[in-house]
Amino acid sequence: EAQVTQNPRYLITVTGKKLTVTCSQNMNHEYMSWYRQDPGLGLRQIYYSMNVEVTDKGDVPEGYKVSRKEKRNFPLILESPSPNQTSLYFCASSRGGGSPLHFGNGTRLTVT
Amino acid sequence: GQQVMQIPQYQHVQEGEDFTTYCNSSTTLSNIQWYKQRPGGHPVFLIQLVKSGEVKKQKRLTFQFGEAKKNSSLHITATQTTDVGTYFCRNHSTNFGNEKLTFGTGTRLTIIP
Repeated sequence: EAQVTQNPRYLITVTGKKLTVTCSQNMNHEYMSWYRQDPGLGLRQIYYSMNVEVTDKGDVPEGYKVSRKEKRNFPLILESPSPNQTSLYFCASSRGGGSPLHFGNGTRLTVT
Repeated sequence: GQQVMQIPQYQHVQEGEDFTTYCNSSTTLSNIQWYKQRPGGHPVFLIQLVKSGEVKKQKRLTFQFGEAKKNSSLHITATQTTDVGTYFCRNHSTNFGNEKLTFGTGTRLTIIP
């Protein structure tokens, strides 16, 4: 089954404790992207990747890192999480930047 | 830069009434996509519009792309409780070779049974 898998689904952590949210897709998609969703603000892009070893900043990249060492995986790293990064995070992939996106189930992160 | 306005932010309708959400861009778009996110779920792709003036239908849903390719609408006829959710547009524009893909802020639809 074609899917985008994110883990974990829920995460509660404390300020400053490094964390990684994993994302994997099995559709051989070149394009992958991370979004955060906050009430009233819609889906804001954090980082995206057009292909392996190619990553670019989205609209809200501050406080996040990503890597794309393999085509299928695109982890999101928070080196020193802060409470303002409490949000619902989605990973998505597609054949290309303008192609329809397939989303993961989301990760709800709470930073205390 | 590109700005995407999606209106209204919220819409409450009686079951059986119609519903429309609008997506307006400050720049000409290459294409536009529509997504639906059920409560507690993730966004799911509905449709993509590419041509100026294009109209596409999916059962009770009608999608329209403006003639100037700067706006789009999603209309639901005779809403049902299964239509509950947030509807997002995703704008795709190209400016001097630079691609910009931006989601609207979404319209949250609730249905009164």
